[in-house]
Amino acid sequence: ETGVTQTPRHLVMGMTNKKSLKCEQHLGHNAMYWYKQSAKKPLELMFVYNFKEQTENNSVPSRFSPECPNSSHLFLHLHTLQPEDSALYLCASSQDVVGAGFGGGQETQYFGPGTRLLVL
Amino acid sequence: KQEVTQIPAALSVPEGENLVLNCSFTDSAIYNLQWFRQDPGKGLTSLLLIQSSQREQTSGRLNASLDKSSGRSTLYIAASQPGDSATYLCAVRRTSGTYKYIFGTGTRLKVLA
Repeated sequence: ETGVTQTPRHLVMGMTNKKSLKCEQHLGHNAMYWYKQSAKKPLELMFVYNFKEQTENNSVPSRFSPECPNSSHLFLHLHTLQPEDSALYLCASSQDVVGAGFGGGQETQYFGPGTRLLVL
Repeated sequence: KQEVTQIPAALSVPEGENLVLNCSFTDSAIYNLQWFRQDPGKGLTSLLLIQSSQREQTSGRLNASLDKSSGRSTLYIAASQPGDSATYLCAVRRTSGTYKYIFGTGTRLKVLA
C-alpha cells in the first residue's frame, strides 16, 4: 500500500451521467495530482494541486472538473463524458509539488491504484 | 517538445537473466529522470530518481544510468525474478519551474520461471 487510496476502483457510466472519482492520501503530503492513462498512450498529467490550490490544468476539457477541499482529498467530477475518455485515472501525491525546486525525495510521487473508467 | 520513447515495448526473459531497459528523450534540458514500475491494475511505484547532475542511481538489484548529452537512460535489472514482471515506465521532468513529468509508453517485462 502506498498510502494513497482511490474509489471506486471500477466505474461504468453513460455519456449523460454525472459521477465523481475520489482520492485520499494519508501521507501528510501537500501536493496532489490527477493523471490519465489510456491504452497504448503515455501517462498524461491532468491537474496539479498544491496546498489545495490548483496550480496546473493541462488543457483538460471542462467535462472534467477537479475539486480539492483539503490537502488530503482530491475529487474528479465527471459529466457528459465521451467514449474516448475511457481510461485508467490515477491520483498521486508528493510532499512538495514537483517543480518547487526541492528535487529528490520530497518530489517523489506516490500513486494510488487508479479508477478504471469505461464510458459507454 | 519533449518526447520520451521506450524500446522495446515488450520483453520476455528467463529467470536469472540480467537485462537492460532503454529510455530515450529528445530534449536534454531535463531536471531529473525517474523510473517507475506498474503492476497490472495498480498504480505506479517509484523505483529510482536520477537528478540531472548524476550519472547513476542504484537500489538493490536495480541500477539506472543517465546520459543527458545523448538523451538516454537505462534501467539495469540483475538476476531477474518472476516478481520483476511488470510494466516499467520512465519519466523526465523538464527543467526546474515546470511541473510536468513527460512519460514514456513503457516496457512490459515478463520474467519466466
